[in-house]
Amino acid sequence: SQQGEEDPQALSIQEGENATMNCSYKTSINNLQWYRQNSGRGLVHLILIRSNEREKHSGRLRVTLDTSKKSSSLLITASRAADTASYFCATDRDNTGFQKLVFGTGTRLLVSP
Amino acid sequence: DSGVTQTPKHLITATGQRVTLRCSPRSGDLSVYWYQQSLDQGLQFLIQYYNGEERAKGNILERFSAQQFPDLHSELNLSSLELGDSALYFCASSGGAHGELFFGEGSRLTVL
Repeated sequence: SQQGEEDPQALSIQEGENATMNCSYKTSINNLQWYRQNSGRGLVHLILIRSNEREKHSGRLRVTLDTSKKSSSLLITASRAADTASYFCATDRDNTGFQKLVFGTGTRLLVSP
Repeated sequence: DSGVTQTPKHLITATGQRVTLRCSPRSGDLSVYWYQQSLDQGLQFLIQYYNGEERAKGNILERFSAQQFPDLHSELNLSSLELGDSALYFCASSGGAHGELFFGEGSRLTVL
């Protein structure tokens, strides 16, 4: 079963607008990661936020983590058509020292020129 | 280019058959992960190996098996294939115990 659930399932915006995607999860985690997948391609890592961090930035990406609510959000600012892809959150909740990343269901983002 | 190589890229086979998917991790990465992505099930974690040993198991069917060899490449064996096994199978590798995964481009399996 999926650990994370992304919301919304699909998002359609215009270039230049901001896109916000949310992820909720069920159990305690070591870290949470966001990945991007272009249609039919391999996933690409975007950003990792540890359980003791609340916010992290990378370029046009901003990720927040609220462990009390078991949720995270990914904000893409000033979106571009090239940002069109599916975005997945993944949680690392293994306590044996080796991570077992469990992916959410993904948000399909469409950015129109 | 993630540095993770998967072969074959596409595979078409019939029900009841057996296939082997191969993965070469990034140079130096000791961990290899296998994931299955289908339209109705999303991205499902199958199994993880670290330096030749199985470390974590997910939703892997008994008809499926995997191993990691001394040179760190990994193979995923799928047997008695069913129509529902049609999916994209991804391999990923990582260097440390926790951190980002580097994904290959996947092997698309079609079972007819």
